[in-house]
Formats: sequence, structure tokens, C-alpha cells
Amino acid sequence: NAGVMQNPRHLVRRRGQEARLRCSPMKGHSHVYWYRQLPEEGLKFMVYLQKENIIDESGMPKERFSAEFPKEGPSILRIQQVVRGDSAAYFCASSPVSGYHEQYFGPGTRLTVT
Amino acid sequence: GENVEQHPSTLSVQEGDSAVIKCTYSDSASNYFPWYKQELGKGPQLIIDIRSNVGEKKDQRIAVTLNKTAKHFSLHITETQPEDSAVYFCAASGGAGGTSYGKLTFGQGTILTVHP
Repeated sequence: NAGVMQNPRHLVRRRGQEARLRCSPMKGHSHVYWYRQLPEEGLKFMVYLQKENIIDESGMPKERFSAEFPKEGPSILRIQQVVRGDSAAYFCASSPVSGYHEQYFGPGTRLTVT
Repeated sequence: GENVEQHPSTLSVQEGDSAVIKCTYSDSASNYFPWYKQELGKGPQLIIDIRSNVGEKKDQRIAVTLNKTAKHFSLHITETQPEDSAVYFCAASGGAGGTSYGKLTFGQGTILTVHP
């Protein structure tokens, strides 16, 4: 059973460009979470999605960031008009059900904004 | 919202010694407490977790204890080995229910170094 897949693993963008980060959950998992890890810091929750639904986006910046988890295909975290402060590691996690259940993390996408 | 504090931020031990990392949380409604190990350049790996109806859980050299009254939980690693060296994160989940259900709030992390 393959784990959580994320791509790309490394992404370099110039200021003002768009970044698209993809996450394929573990087989059988229908709940996806995105977290951001700034250098030397812990992980911060961004958004929680189920298929075709955003359940909790309380950790998402109000502007430039959006997320989706379509019926078919991976979950996408999209950052428009990136700025240097967006440079971080972005991790996706998946779980089979919601609530008090294990979340399994992918290897992350390391975004560098130049 | 939930706030999780983790101590110490760095921990250095000799191989074979025990290591203890402690976390406190603020939301008494939190019910799920996982621990993750993160190696350099990798994603967090779930190593053990505990739910609020249990006071202690053990898996080989790793154990976690939970004190709901005091709102703190701890990770214990016995007979440490150099390969245990990594960053360890505690987290809490559950909270007030509703949309916070499932969202993990992480501690700041502990850099554990095990010297051979």
C-alpha cells in the first residue's frame, strides 16, 4: 500500500508566479489535510478537505491561497503571486476517516521563492 | 483555539539512556494525542498515539502517558539508539468539535540527539 504521495518534492518560483502543490492520499483515504512548516518551526494547520468539500480552512491565509480535492485526482494547494514569505515545506496528510484518527504524512514539497 | 507547548526544545543523551519529552495543551476538549518523528528532509512519521480514555500506551521502547486533569502528556523512549536522533513533535486534536475535528495542533518540536 503506497503512502501519501506529494509532488513536486522541490519547487522554485520567482516572486509573483503561481505554485501548485499536489497530494495523492493513501489508498482508501478520503480525508486530506495540508500543513505548512516554516524553517525552524513546527507544523501549522492550513486546511482540511474531503472529496469535493472544504471542511475547515481556518488556517489558510485569506488571500492568494486556495485548496481543492476533486472527485477524481489529487488534492491541489495553489498559491498565487508567491512572495518570499511563502518559502516553506508544505506537507499533506491523509486519514481514512475524520476526527480522532491517525494522519499519515507525505514527504512534503519544499517551496523556495526567489 | 488549542495551544500546545513542548519541552525541551533540544535534548542530548548517551546511547542506552532514556529520553523524555513533555507537552501541555490548553483545550480540555482535546481527545487525541499523537507523536511524530521527523528526520531531516522527510515528512513526519507517526510513532505512537494515545486517546483520552487511556492513561498510558507502550510500543516496544516507546511509551506515552496522558494526564487529562493536568492537561499534559509525555513521550518516553528507553534504551535510546543513534537512529532515534530526529525531531519529535507532539500534537493534539479534537478540541471543541465542529470544524476543528481532526485538525492537529503541533508543539514546537524537540531535537533529540543520541550520542554513540
